[in-house]
Amino acid sequence: DAKTTQPTSMDCAEGRAANLPCNHSTISGNEYVYWYRQIHSQGPQYIIHGLKNNETNEMASLIITEDRKSSTLILPHATLRDTAVYYCIVRVASHRSGNTPLVFGKGTRLSVIA
Amino acid sequence: EADIYQTPRYLVIGTGKKITLECSQTMGHDKMYWYQQDPGMELHLIHYSYGVNSTEKGDLSSESTVSRIRTEHFPLTLESARPSHTSQYLCASSEMGSREDTQYFGPGTRLTVL
Repeated sequence: DAKTTQPTSMDCAEGRAANLPCNHSTISGNEYVYWYRQIHSQGPQYIIHGLKNNETNEMASLIITEDRKSSTLILPHATLRDTAVYYCIVRVASHRSGNTPLVFGKGTRLSVIA
Repeated sequence: EADIYQTPRYLVIGTGKKITLECSQTMGHDKMYWYQQDPGMELHLIHYSYGVNSTEKGDLSSESTVSRIRTEHFPLTLESARPSHTSQYLCASSEMGSREDTQYFGPGTRLTVL
């Protein structure tokens, strides 16, 4: 699986949009981009994933560049409860049973400030 | 809300004791995983299973063992606990045959070995 690069930490004012970048310059054509977050040592929580197109759900939006070498997770209106470590992961996804488990890096520690 | 459970949530035990950390899920997922995470550090995969009677070692070498006798149950055992085993242990599961292969995590067990 391709490796990712994320900033170690970021701050965001409460109520503002939080934009978390991720570089994955060696991503392959069949690799998805996944985002998870971990709030204060709880189990990681799935946020969103995408392949080529931008994606949006009730939690966040995912913007993937046209060359797929980088992406940005957007939390449109950050709250104090969004303070967490955010992980960007790229991996192959297919129907075959051979999918490897998620490999977590260091992630970005997002602090939402009142 | 994911239906994956871990017990106990916290465990303090003396050196040399045998312990079993329980993990169960009610989603019918074939794939299950164990991750280990020291405070403030990355998650490391230590074991995974793709179905009953199937277990594999993960990226991080661990003295623990696992078993998968039932689909919904994936216990982790330490035959003789040592202070170096002090850590948080996170269990996860995902659905076989799902292209996205989203992993759902339990709340974790925080183990302290004195």
